[in-house]
Amino acid sequence: EVQVLESGGGLVQPGGSLRLSCAASGFTFNSYAMGWVRQAPGKGLEWVSTISGSGDDTFYADSVKGRFTISRDTSKNTLSVQMNSLRGEDTAIYYCAKGSRRAGRDFDYWGQGTLVTVSS
Amino acid sequence: DIQMTQSPSSVSASVGDRVTITCRASQGISSWLVWYQQKPGKAPTLLIYAASSLQSGVPSRFSGSGSGTDFTLTITSLQPEDCATYFCQQSNSFPLTFGPGTKVDIK
Repeated sequence: EVQVLESGGGLVQPGGSLRLSCAASGFTFNSYAMGWVRQAPGKGLEWVSTISGSGDDTFYADSVKGRFTISRDTSKNTLSVQMNSLRGEDTAIYYCAKGSRRAGRDFDYWGQGTLVTVSS
Repeated sequence: DIQMTQSPSSVSASVGDRVTITCRASQGISSWLVWYQQKPGKAPTLLIYAASSLQSGVPSRFSGSGSGTDFTLTITSLQPEDCATYFCQQSNSFPLTFGPGTKVDIK
């Protein structure tokens, strides 16, 4: 059974940093792209970042480019995102999602999400 | 970037009704379009991929159609458990973009 489970959310001050992690199981981790999608309270879905199965290619939304860094550890089947220079508009539930076999640009399994709150 | 729009923003229908949601892309995306369902307090789940292919385990009352810029999600006979918000997403190119969502509830 495919599972993805996020951790690391919490309250952080503006300008601060936070690292989210996602533990994946039930599939061959290095064969699939993985991504992060966020949802601000009461709002729609916003794609944040994607990393290829090999980890060689990374993609970012303009809103986080230069501040967030996505990475994956194949030995631990773990996806991470390092979030720096956090802003109030980064407040959201962050979902980890497994890329489908179709070029990895859509997501067939999602975690339950972890809440990040940026506030003083 | 490819902009995605959806209409209507919300729909209220009776059990057994046919419900149609439209999604439009700002430029042609062939069939690189997926639909997700999100129930309150839950993560999204994949319903339809490649514009018209049903994800495994999804009831057959859900269907998708379209290509290029105009797409449709149809629920042929609305059930109480279909109350949710539905999002389209273009999977043609990065940055990936979602529609604003359509909330479906029971009248």
